[in-house]
Amino acid sequence: TQLLEQSPQFLSIQEGENLTVYCNSSSVFSSLQWYRQEPGEGPVLLVTVVTGGEVKKLKRLTFQFGDARKDSSLHITAAQPGDTGLYLCAGVPPGNTGKLIFGQGTTLQVKP
Amino acid sequence: EAGVAQSPRYKIIEKRQSVAFWCNPISGHATLYWYQQILGQGPKLLIQFQNNGVVDDSQLPKDRFSAERLKGVDSTLKIQPAKLEDSAVYLCASSFSQASGTQYFGPGTRLLVL
Repeated sequence: TQLLEQSPQFLSIQEGENLTVYCNSSSVFSSLQWYRQEPGEGPVLLVTVVTGGEVKKLKRLTFQFGDARKDSSLHITAAQPGDTGLYLCAGVPPGNTGKLIFGQGTTLQVKP
Repeated sequence: EAGVAQSPRYKIIEKRQSVAFWCNPISGHATLYWYQQILGQGPKLLIQFQNNGVVDDSQLPKDRFSAERLKGVDSTLKIQPAKLEDSAVYLCASSFSQASGTQYFGPGTRLLVL
């Protein structure tokens, strides 16, 4: 069974601080996705990383896929209250099944 | 382009009652997914359809949960009878195809079983 361990589960920081969320597995994924979910809404895709070692930037968010394609990280620079939400990583297992394996999520609260 | 539609948005029932959720995917999307998201956890796949056929229902509790997508478009998920531990958000998602890699999620149905 493929599992994704996400840490930390909860994070409460002040506006302007930096933070990193980690997503780890013992299994290899063909790609890894990061989602953000607001209360009362479904997850919204932020980014997909495909190649081992790949780094993608989305404004103040930096996503990295581990060289072995087993882990990933999300780094937010100078967090803002608008970044508050639930961040989910999801691994795509090898094979074109369309299946996603989600981590437990990280609840981020950015206080003004 | 309209997103994934789900109804109802909220439902409160007593244990042992039955409940049904409806999902209308994005037009043209062949693949449809139902997820269960318990508070504080990530979504867990319950069932995946490709058109009107089931691709994966390995984590669907088949003694009480059922789902169908008869015409390959909209879908219903039913729970009968409901248990307290079924309290969760039920998310529907769709993608253009299995291999497309991008799933679009609906707003979910929040179920509370008392």
